[in-house]
Amino acid sequence: GAVVSQHPSRVICKSGTSVKIECRSLDFQATTMFWYRQFPKQSLMLMATSNEGSKATYEQGVEKDKFLINHASLTLSTLTVTSAHPEDSSFYICSASFNEKLFFGSGTQLSVL
Amino acid sequence: AQSVTQLGSHVSVSEGALVLLRCNYSSSVPPYLFWYVQYPNQGLQLLLKYTSAATLVKGINGFEAEFKKSETSFHLTKPSAHMSDAAEYFCAVSERGTSYGKLTFGQGTILTVHP
Repeated sequence: GAVVSQHPSRVICKSGTSVKIECRSLDFQATTMFWYRQFPKQSLMLMATSNEGSKATYEQGVEKDKFLINHASLTLSTLTVTSAHPEDSSFYICSASFNEKLFFGSGTQLSVL
Repeated sequence: AQSVTQLGSHVSVSEGALVLLRCNYSSSVPPYLFWYVQYPNQGLQLLLKYTSAATLVKGINGFEAEFKKSETSFHLTKPSAHMSDAAEYFCAVSERGTSYGKLTFGQGTILTVHP
């Protein structure tokens, strides 16, 4: 089956710094990738849809200047959390669509101190 | 707006017992429905999905789910639990006509299987 690789799996950073999370489709080309966020004891929430070669589409309430998404190639999308604050601490998961199915990365646990 | 409710954040069963994980959705139009499983340190994997065909959907690993429009439910079942079924399960919906990846998830149910 199709594989989506997400790195890093865990990151701890200081408040005010930026963190980049990578999402790669290893054996298929993904024109569309999706970024989700999950707070403790809550559902996964869609943050944005990332389209190769164009601007990402953000869900209502998600700050596009804070969560920068770049989808420069058909196999890589990145999410950069800029000027991270403790309230940004969460579990971030990417997914990519292929043949009408969604394939998920294993997630990144971000902790902002 | 759509929403998904999974009743029970934790479910515990004995090996060999019936597994029943509950999912109810709210949507004005029957959506697409999914069940995903997440094993530790792995990404979510699709167990099964309902689009518009048979209301009883069979998935991988012996799981199945039945779409009941009158009850707005899509409960996941397995007749006999295995130890390897221990994982977290997510019910999700997507609105018909929207992008395949725009899912609304439930809060997840952690399944524990006892020997």
